[in-house]
Formats: sequence, C-alpha cells, structure tokens
Amino acid sequence: ETGVTQSPTHLIKTRGQQVTLRCSSQSGHNTVSWYQQALGQGPQFIFQYYREEENGRGNFPPRFSGLQFPNYSSELNVNALELDDSALYLCASSHLAGAAGELFFGEGSRLT
Amino acid sequence: AQTVTQSQPEMSVQEAETVTLSCTYDTSESDYYLFWYKQPPSRQMILVIRQEAYKQQNATENRFSVNFQKAAKSFSLKISDSQLGDAAMYFCAYRSGPFSGGKLTFGQGTILTVHP
Repeated sequence: ETGVTQSPTHLIKTRGQQVTLRCSSQSGHNTVSWYQQALGQGPQFIFQYYREEENGRGNFPPRFSGLQFPNYSSELNVNALELDDSALYLCASSHLAGAAGELFFGEGSRLT
Repeated sequence: AQTVTQSQPEMSVQEAETVTLSCTYDTSESDYYLFWYKQPPSRQMILVIRQEAYKQQNATENRFSVNFQKAAKSFSLKISDSQLGDAAMYFCAYRSGPFSGGKLTFGQGTILTVHP
C-alpha cells in the first residue's frame, strides 16, 4: 500500500507567476482534497475532486484550480500568485463515502 | 457554516503526565464526525483519534482518549503517559456526514511541548 506523495516539496515563485503542485493518492482512494496551511494556522479546505470532477470547494478564488486524473492523482494550479499564497499546501486522499473515512495526508509542498 | 475553535495556542506537559487539549465546535447538523490530527515538524498530518457524533461512547486509542460532549459541542483530547514523541501541533477537525470525503474544517491548532 503506497502513501500520499506530493511534489515538489519546496518551491519559490514570484508574484504574478503560476504554479502547479502534484499529488499521488493513496492506493484505492477515489477522492483527493487540497488544503492551504498558512504558517502557524490550521489547514483551510480549498477543494476536493471525485471521479475527475470538483466535488466541493472552500472559500478560494477561481485562480485556484485543480485536476484529477483517471489514476486518481491530482494537480493544484494557482494562477497570478499573490504574496498571501505563501503557505504549505497539503494533499489528502480518502473515500468519498464511508463512515468517518480516514484522510491520508502527504507531507505537503511549501510555496514561498 | 461549521466552525472549530481551539482556545489553547500552546500547552506543555511533563513526560509521563497527562494533558488535555480543548476543542469546541459549532454546527447545526446532527450527523458528523470529529477528529484529532497530529502534525509533527515533518509536516505530515497523522490521525490520532476519531469520534462519530451518533456514538455516545467516547473513543479511545491506547494513550489517547476523547471527552465528547455533544450538547455542549465540546471535543477534548486527553493524552495519558505523555511521551517525548507526542510533541507536535494538534488539530481538532470536523467533517459533515458520511459523504463529505476529504472536506474537513480544522481548528487553529495547539502546540504541545513535552518536557523530559
């Protein structure tokens, strides 16, 4: 059973640029969620994908977008980067249904 | 919208002692789940314990137990026989119903320090 892996682990960008973060899900999971965690804060839900479609979104602008692929891996894209986008971005995989399904988190991508 | 509040930014405990981390939440839903996650410096979130709202019995996982007070909307975590490896940031989290997948609402976190 493989875990959730994210890449890259660290990256530095300039305001206005675009970034793509990648996530490989836990084997057998059909749902991928993305979170933004500012320094010293709790993670904030960005969105989740189920069967390659967005299935729930938090309070984030449209310049945050994503994709889920047939193998359940996922990408998070952020356009027109702003200084406040500096954060740890966490990916988590799970099953959409099921009682109290556990989320398996990756180690995150630190965006500066 | 649901909210989760952790009122203790930092807590400390002596090794082998017991510590309790507090969490309150606000919801109008009757079917939901509550979690405690641990985030060590390695950054990876690790599930510590979960509680289904429909279960009256408090969840227990080895040295970790919760005090779930549904009417008061309180969900505290007790760590017994604290170990140095318990030092981490702890997050309380809420999930609606059984079909929310990975959509959690997290609290602000509590930094736990364990002194030898």
